Amino acid sequence: EAGVTQFPSHSVIEKGQTVTLRCDPISGHDNLYWYRRVMGKEIKFLLHFVKESKQDESGMPNNRFLAERTGGTYSTLKVQPAELEDSGVYFCASSQSQRTYEQYFGPGTRLTVT
Amino acid sequence: AQKITQTQPGMFVQEKEAVTLDCTYDTSDQSYGLFWYKQPSSGEMIFLIYQGSYDEQNATEGRYSLNFQKARKSANLVISASQLGDSAMYFCAMTVSNFGNEKLTFGTGTRLTIIP
Repeated sequence: EAGVTQFPSHSVIEKGQTVTLRCDPISGHDNLYWYRRVMGKEIKFLLHFVKESKQDESGMPNNRFLAERTGGTYSTLKVQPAELEDSGVYFCASSQSQRTYEQYFGPGTRLTVT
Repeated sequence: AQKITQTQPGMFVQEKEAVTLDCTYDTSDQSYGLFWYKQPSSGEMIFLIYQGSYDEQNATEGRYSLNFQKARKSANLVISASQLGDSAMYFCAMTVSNFGNEKLTFGTGTRLTIIP
């Protein structure tokens, strides 16, 4: 069974540019979470999808961040325009409806904004 | 709101020794889950162990055990017979039951280095 995959693994962009991160959850997992770790700080929750619906987006830092989950499958997280403080590692995780506490993480996307 | 505190930013342990990574938590919820994740240098987050707040016995998974002391609100990870491959960042995390939204709250992590 394939795990959670994320693309790209690393992205370097200039301030003001746009970047789109992609997450493919484990097949059949209805729950999809985005988290972010800014350098030296703890990993923080961004938002939670159940299928294609946003269940909780309380962790999204501001309106420069837009997350979507097309047809309840893969998800994208767009940052537009990117700022220096957006640099960090963005993780995606997924879980089954029946075992919601068991989250499987992807390898993360390291975003560097210069 | 939930809070996880990991007071050990870094630890060095001799190979084959046991190691305890500290974690304390704070929540007003009665139903919650506690987790430990390992993050090796390759970057992925690997689930190690889970403890539910109503579980009476400490969770164990191979060489990993979670020392759950509810009254003290601590959830320390114990790794027995450490190996070189255990060198990694370790994160303690928790979630509270919230109608299927199990968003995790993480601590700042402990970097464990196993010395040969």
